[in-house]
Amino acid sequence: QVQLVQSGAEVKKPGSSVKVSCKASGITFNMYGFNWLRQAPEQGLEWMGRIIPSVGLEKYAQKFQGRVKITADTSTTTTYMELSSLTSDDTAIYYCARTSCIEGICYFHYWGQGTLVTVSS
Amino acid sequence: DIQMTQSPSSLSASVGDRVTITCRASQTISNYLNWYQQSPGKAPKLLIYAASRVESGVPSRFSGSGSGTEFSLTISSLQPEDFATYYCQQSYTPPRVTFGGGTKIEIK
Repeated sequence: QVQLVQSGAEVKKPGSSVKVSCKASGITFNMYGFNWLRQAPEQGLEWMGRIIPSVGLEKYAQKFQGRVKITADTSTTTTYMELSSLTSDDTAIYYCARTSCIEGICYFHYWGQGTLVTVSS
Repeated sequence: DIQMTQSPSSLSASVGDRVTITCRASQTISNYLNWYQQSPGKAPKLLIYAASRVESGVPSRFSGSGSGTEFSLTISSLQPEDFATYYCQQSYTPPRVTFGGGTKIEIK
């Protein structure tokens, strides 16, 4: 069965970095995009970036460019999202999600359970 | 970026009601539109993709329609487990996609 299992909750100081992992099982890892999205408290969903593990191709939302890094380890079918220079505005639940596409239309098919990152001094 | 506007932002309804949520894109996106359901404390779940295709396992009371800039999600007979927040999402400009602000369905 398909599973995306994320690492546990984190509490970070302003100015520091956080790295969240997402281990995939039961699905093809290399061929599709693995995305990271976030949801601030009582807010909507925001796409941060994506990696295609087979080619290591990364794309990021302009808002996070230079501050986020998404990587993938094909040997462990795990993707990682590292966000630096944290502020209180980065307090959110972070989700990984794998893309599926049909006839050129792509959607977030499988989701991790979410990881709460709290930024507080 | 393509802006996605959902309406209403919230609504109160009763079990058995027919409910329709609207999503409008700031420019034409053909049928590159997906819908997700998010229950409290849970990750979003795919309901509808390509505007009208129902994801496997999703109850038949859910349907989607629209093309261009206007889209809708309809729940034909609201069930207790349907009280959640619903998001539309455009995938016209992948991978840089955008979501609507969400519609929360509450129990009347």
